[in-house]
Amino acid sequence: SAVISQKPSRDICQRGTSLTIQCQVDSQVTMMFWYRQQPGQSLTLIATANQGSEATYESGFVIDKFPISRPNLTFSTLTVSNMSPEDSSIYLCSALDGAYEQYFGPGTRLTVT
Amino acid sequence: KQEVTQIPAALSVPEGENLVLNCSFTDSAIYNLQWFRQDPGKGLTSLLLIQSSQREQTSGRLNASLDKSSGRSTLYIAASQPGDSATYLCAVGANNLFFGTGTRLTVIP
Repeated sequence: SAVISQKPSRDICQRGTSLTIQCQVDSQVTMMFWYRQQPGQSLTLIATANQGSEATYESGFVIDKFPISRPNLTFSTLTVSNMSPEDSSIYLCSALDGAYEQYFGPGTRLTVT
Repeated sequence: KQEVTQIPAALSVPEGENLVLNCSFTDSAIYNLQWFRQDPGKGLTSLLLIQSSQREQTSGRLNASLDKSSGRSTLYIAASQPGDSATYLCAVGANNLFFGTGTRLTVIP
């Protein structure tokens, strides 16, 4: 299994600013993902973080708003840009292990005022 | 696009009772189905993974089954305990996952 940590665990940000969330996995993994969980909702996939190339975004999510980096097999960042109150959510990082089991980080709770 | 539905949305049971949570999905050409639990304000904990070629998985008091032909999965929890209180999510997919809306379980001591 993979152990995933995220930083920060929570933040309160002003409208129009940006926040970068870090995700660290304790072992090398082939695939990493970023999800969003809006208040009272289930999880929605934002993008697949590809190592060494541009992330693959799901419908409704764009690189300008959610730039993602993945410099190696254990680390990824998600930036939420030009934030508005609608971006208030929990952002979760996940990783897929060799047995196709997906593990999640503890999440970053973001509040935009 | 894959749609995943979970019934019931909420469930309250007395301690010791056996219970079943249901998950249905629209696209039977799934690869894997995974059950998670989420505690309030926390991330997701993986409970069971059923790969596409499998029909069920067991871990302790938990048993999950998968019927691809009918587009259904069930999570059976035996002898429920107050510590089982959480939201249970099922998710299907190949690499990226499509999540259901969850079942909020409360086990009353």
